[in-house]
Amino acid sequence: NAGVTQTPKFRVLKTGQSMTLLCAQDMNHEYMYWYRQDPGMGLRLIHYSVGEGTTAKGEVPDGYNVSRLKKQNFLLGLESAAPSQTSVYFCASSRTLPRVDQPQHFGDGTRLSIL
Amino acid sequence: AQKITQTQPGMFVQEKEAVTLDCTYDTSDPSYGLFWYKQPSSGEMIFLIYQGSYDQQNATEGRYSLNFQKARKSANLVISASQLGDSAMYFCAMREGRDDKIIFGKGTRLHILP
Repeated sequence: NAGVTQTPKFRVLKTGQSMTLLCAQDMNHEYMYWYRQDPGMGLRLIHYSVGEGTTAKGEVPDGYNVSRLKKQNFLLGLESAAPSQTSVYFCASSRTLPRVDQPQHFGDGTRLSIL
Repeated sequence: AQKITQTQPGMFVQEKEAVTLDCTYDTSDPSYGLFWYKQPSSGEMIFLIYQGSYDQQNATEGRYSLNFQKARKSANLVISASQLGDSAMYFCAMREGRDDKIIFGKGTRLHILP
């Protein structure tokens, strides 16, 4: 019963470094999402994917790239990390639309600090 | 304009009392879904309850119920007989029928006092 697994759970980067956050789900979900959570801001959507090989921008996509080469994996990349990207990152997945009643299943989050 | 508004940044409630967490939403789509999630201090996001725009009755799940007032565009979460373990951040979210995204509100931090 793994559900949605995020790797790593914690990471500290220096400004300008790059890294990739991995999200893996074993529920055969079509839709996957990356959010960031900042104090007082709630969850803001960075990028999402509605199926293998597809990606789309969310509310705050700048500074991030994503890839969905395999259905079960959704990668979030930071090419040149900035202190403003210090945040907790959540990955989520859900079944397909058009059913609006599909809740999202979340990973446990990745706490990322950029120095 | 914000799609989801949660006007209570924080609330303090005595244990065993009922709690109402406010959520208003904005959409012109006749088909939409509303969700509530709980985020305890451990950080995980836990799905609590769902309400569809076409549902005739208010959703209930155990101690959770959703006070859905469509004309007012509000979807308040009601927790009956609150417990210390209910202390957490609560998020209201919406998915519109024509959209792939789920949009979250900024959350309400609930503190249950012994």
